Amino acid sequence: DVVMTQSPLSLPVTLGQPASISCRSSQSLVYSDGNTYLTWFQQRPGQSPRRLIYKVSNRDSGVPDRFSGSGSGTDFTLKISRVEAEDVGVYYCMQATHWPPYTFGQGTKLEIK
Amino acid sequence: EVQLVESGGGLVQPGGSLRLSCAASGFTFNNYWMTWVRRAPGKGLEWVAIIKPDGSEKYYVDSVKGRFTISRDNAKNSLFLQMNSLRAEDTAVYYCARDWELGGYRYTRLDYWGQGTLVTVSS
Repeated sequence: DVVMTQSPLSLPVTLGQPASISCRSSQSLVYSDGNTYLTWFQQRPGQSPRRLIYKVSNRDSGVPDRFSGSGSGTDFTLKISRVEAEDVGVYYCMQATHWPPYTFGQGTKLEIK
Repeated sequence: EVQLVESGGGLVQPGGSLRLSCAASGFTFNNYWMTWVRRAPGKGLEWVAIIKPDGSEKYYVDSVKGRFTISRDNAKNSLFLQMNSLRAEDTAVYYCARDWELGGYRYTRLDYWGQGTLVTVSS
């Protein structure tokens, strides 16, 4: 199975400041069709997961443009340009290139300093 | 509006069984693969199982193979997870999620999730 490794696991951020989460996979996530099936999810306290970014850098409808995804191969990043209070929660990367199973990173807990 | 509503969770003793349901609405259910994902207390998300639109293909994470069975009733727009031989480590909130659409052009993998149902395995 593909292992997804996130860092940091805890991310205290001051309101209005940027934040960055790294996600590395144990093998390339480029599929034979040329797509890279790397997805980012946000899970706010007490809520269900919400998809933010799919195929590395495509933002879902309704997701603020302060969220952006980048990367390639085995190395990916989620960036928040200016953190707001509503961004508190746990962020997960997930790969769906080599499945089954889909595999998630351990999660990064974002909190406000 | 796409809606997924899970039910069936509860407290069960180790070795017991439980059947989770997920009622889907707002989309053409029988066009989509469907997935179960869980989150154990204090842990991260874990993919559990997936089923093809016609039910002909099913895949599971190794830790539940032989104990859990995913199924669906397309006439009732419903997804199920039959959980047998439950263990303490199966304690988690279980979510159903819409997965990819057969022949679809939009990327719908895990784009909608239910609110989750809590399964507690304890004596």
